[in-house]
Amino acid sequence: RKEVEQDPGPFNVPEGATVAFNCTYSNSASQSFFWYRQDCRKEPKLLMSVYSSGNEDGRFTAQLNRASQYISLLIRDSKLSDSATYLCVVNGGSNYKLTFGKGTLLTVNP
Amino acid sequence: GAGVSQSPSNKVTEKGKDVELRCDPISGHTALYWYRQRLGQGLEFLIYFQGNSAPDKSGLPSDRFSAERTGESVSTLTIQRTQQEDSAVYLCASSPSGGPTDTQYFGPGTRLTVL
Repeated sequence: RKEVEQDPGPFNVPEGATVAFNCTYSNSASQSFFWYRQDCRKEPKLLMSVYSSGNEDGRFTAQLNRASQYISLLIRDSKLSDSATYLCVVNGGSNYKLTFGKGTLLTVNP
Repeated sequence: GAGVSQSPSNKVTEKGKDVELRCDPISGHTALYWYRQRLGQGLEFLIYFQGNSAPDKSGLPSDRFSAERTGESVSTLTIQRTQQEDSAVYLCASSPSGGPTDTQYFGPGTRLTVL
């Protein structure tokens, strides 16, 4: 099992659609979970941290299921500007070492 | 304030040459990380610096790779005798303290092409 595995994508959706990304991780000792966003030929930027209780930031909702070692990201009312690669990121159990999934490419079409 | 900066932004070199990549972290950040992103792949951890502690070099792929950091400032990643498989984007990140919930802030990367 890969350390962090994401939906391979790509996802092509119309504006206003709801889209969900899924991610699984293999290290049960992982402590921290994040979604990063990476625009084409740009550096990754933190979208949101993921907490056990689930968290929401505007149109974005992140969920964590520790028992299933599963993380999700839901984007509602998608905008053209949401087009990017979404990276599932997991702390590997040590304090600092992050493990990145390969990312899922989202294209929102007009 | 200023973000993480990296130089050069692009580097083309011939196989067998040495290259040096530079990273300037966000001022005040004690933790600094280097990652590599090959085309179509996820980010791979290379090395981590935290204050004056010994760096975690566990991600360096071979002894041709080395990195240094001066105190809590600039870091350089050196690749000796470059190979074509070293072609990738090399990303540097910094974070305030290196803790498990820290946000890592990434620089724009150096795109390395080995001919």
